[in-house]
Amino acid sequence: GAGVSQTPSNKVTEKGKYVELRCDPISGHTALYWYRQSLGQGPEFLIYFQGTGAADDSGLPNDRFFAVRPEGSVSTLKIQRTERGDSAVYLCASSLARAGTGELFFGEGSRLTVL
Amino acid sequence: AQSVTQPDIHITVSEGASLELRCNYSYGATPYLFWYVQSPGQGLQLLLKYFSGDTLVQGIKGFEAEFKRSQSSFNLRKPSVHWSDAAEYFCAVVGPNQAGTALIFGKGTTLSVSS
Repeated sequence: GAGVSQTPSNKVTEKGKYVELRCDPISGHTALYWYRQSLGQGPEFLIYFQGTGAADDSGLPNDRFFAVRPEGSVSTLKIQRTERGDSAVYLCASSLARAGTGELFFGEGSRLTVL
Repeated sequence: AQSVTQPDIHITVSEGASLELRCNYSYGATPYLFWYVQSPGQGLQLLLKYFSGDTLVQGIKGFEAEFKRSQSSFNLRKPSVHWSDAAEYFCAVVGPNQAGTALIFGKGTTLSVSS
């Protein structure tokens, strides 16, 4: 597809379970970002990849959160031992240029509900 | 650290009336500034951006924004609002010396359009 694709669009899980959220960026985009958006809030930065490496992971809230991008394209956000407070929409974005210098293209998000 | 404030949580404007959404930033130097729109069921879309130069920037869908250094503001305007403009609007910032850093978003302003 032409845009950023995120799967699943909706995920309901139980407290304590493990969750993986996938992001397929626009082809050729070297930069990839994960954000989290809680109800009534703006997107909150989690992690930024430039190629395969995490250039900035300062937004990850704790060590239960981890993200990978092994081949510099698709990325997976992994959340261990989920908590109710993790419920949010997780947004992925990609861009051609480094963060802040170009336009970010966002996916529609993965809505995570932790019961 | 840089931050961005959107003072208005919710604004209602009559169709055909003018619109101004406020954005204030906190940063030691002039940052890069962005406005994004999030329509229901869609991903965030870039409306316009300011890096340098002319302080009045034009964007898509008839929007414009003016950078005012003295007021640390980057307000979004539209002369005549259409019902399809109802959405959530986010101002975002990144420092020009931190091009490898992801965007920091405000909490957003929800725009309702009345007929």
